[in-house]
Amino acid sequence: EPEVTQTPSHQVTQMGQEVILRCVPISNHLYFYWYRQILGQKVEFLVSFYNNEISEKSEIFDDQFSVERPDGSNFTLKIRSTKLEDSAMYFCASSVDVGGGGELFFGEGSRLTVL
Amino acid sequence: GQQLNQSPQSMFIQEGEDVSMNCTSSSIFNTWLWYKQDPGEGPVLLIALYKAGELTSNGRLTAQFGITRKDSFLNISASIPSDVGIYFCAGLRTTSGTYKYIFGTGTRLKVLA
Repeated sequence: EPEVTQTPSHQVTQMGQEVILRCVPISNHLYFYWYRQILGQKVEFLVSFYNNEISEKSEIFDDQFSVERPDGSNFTLKIRSTKLEDSAMYFCASSVDVGGGGELFFGEGSRLTVL
Repeated sequence: GQQLNQSPQSMFIQEGEDVSMNCTSSSIFNTWLWYKQDPGEGPVLLIALYKAGELTSNGRLTAQFGITRKDSFLNISASIPSDVGIYFCAGLRTTSGTYKYIFGTGTRLKVLA
């Protein structure tokens, strides 16, 4: 069964360093998302991406964050200069569309630890 | 921003009991999704609801899209130990051609054997 895959599963980094989290969405999906979950808390929307541009972003998604679809399969989240409070699980998700068949499928997540 | 409140926040139940949880908001949503999350893993989709009033089942799970489009509930019948986890609702909000799924605060379920 097709699935969303994410790498790395866990990354430890020093504060101020750049981090890139990678995702391979399900192949026929058109909408891509990044969500964040701080330990024990709810899943928070970061950004949605469609047709090679950001569709919507949350207030969390500030200038330190960027997303890119560098080729036909990967979808990346870059944090330019990590802060301690960026420590969280980052989930990539994708959907075929959001109008009629908008079921959102998640990857297993990338745990980011900022020291 | 939009807020989805889930209740209860957590619950302990005996194996075999039925469970009910709900998700409410002051905003209207166009789609409701229910997810289960196990520790250290990503949310797994359980049920999707697309129309107000829709009632959908998936095995022991039943979910309904509220008539007002501002709420949804999830029922689990005859709970078993592997039902343990955190259950999240997610509502789809569409605004001027943009789409965003908002997640609820989660219901942590613990099943006592």
